[in-house]
Amino acid sequence: GDSVTQMEGPVTLSEEAFLTINCTYTATGYPSLFWYVQYPGEGLQLLLKATKADDKGSNKGFEATYRKETTSFHLEKGSVQVSDSAVYFCALSYTGANSKLTFGKGITLSVRP
Amino acid sequence: NAGVMQNPRHLVRRRGQEARLRCSPMKGHSHVYWYRQLPEEGLKFMVYLQKENIIDESGMPKERFSAEFPKEGPSILRIQQVVRGDSAAYFCASSPPGHSRVLYEQYFGPGTRLTVT
Repeated sequence: GDSVTQMEGPVTLSEEAFLTINCTYTATGYPSLFWYVQYPGEGLQLLLKATKADDKGSNKGFEATYRKETTSFHLEKGSVQVSDSAVYFCALSYTGANSKLTFGKGITLSVRP
Repeated sequence: NAGVMQNPRHLVRRRGQEARLRCSPMKGHSHVYWYRQLPEEGLKFMVYLQKENIIDESGMPKERFSAEFPKEGPSILRIQQVVRGDSAAYFCASSPPGHSRVLYEQYFGPGTRLTVT
């Protein structure tokens, strides 16, 4: 079956540091890939997505590139802010009637001033 | 346009009681997904419903759990005879109806945090 693996956390960075959160996947087909963010006490929000190999998703300074050859979708940001402190989930799903998401375990990011 | 609504936000039940969790999708959305987030874990898919139909319940525990999405009203996730292991955050997400070749974003509610004592 499909699965998503994220690097172990938590991650603590200083403001303006460079961020990389690793995500790899195993899939039986050709999925779309997502990064979701969860702020404390809230539901998940879609951060960015990529629907096919070599696509780059970007939003709010975050980027991730769909790498089929390495089955990866690493999240990066050049300069993190305190407001980026949250839990980040990598996920995959398929186009079609049933777009259920398969999530990684999530990683907590804390950014200190 | 109101987002996905879930209630209650927090629910405490004693072992053996029933828990009912409600999810009102965004206006115009007819697809609902339920996910469970156990402590220190990612979200796990439970069930996918369309109006009056269960499409995929492959992630639902075989016993005590059921879900419905009636023609009128919210989607309900029902857990009978709760046990401590049911303590988790339960999230629903909704998406619009549409073409099978299109990938539609799922919009998540704030979740219901169930505590079983």
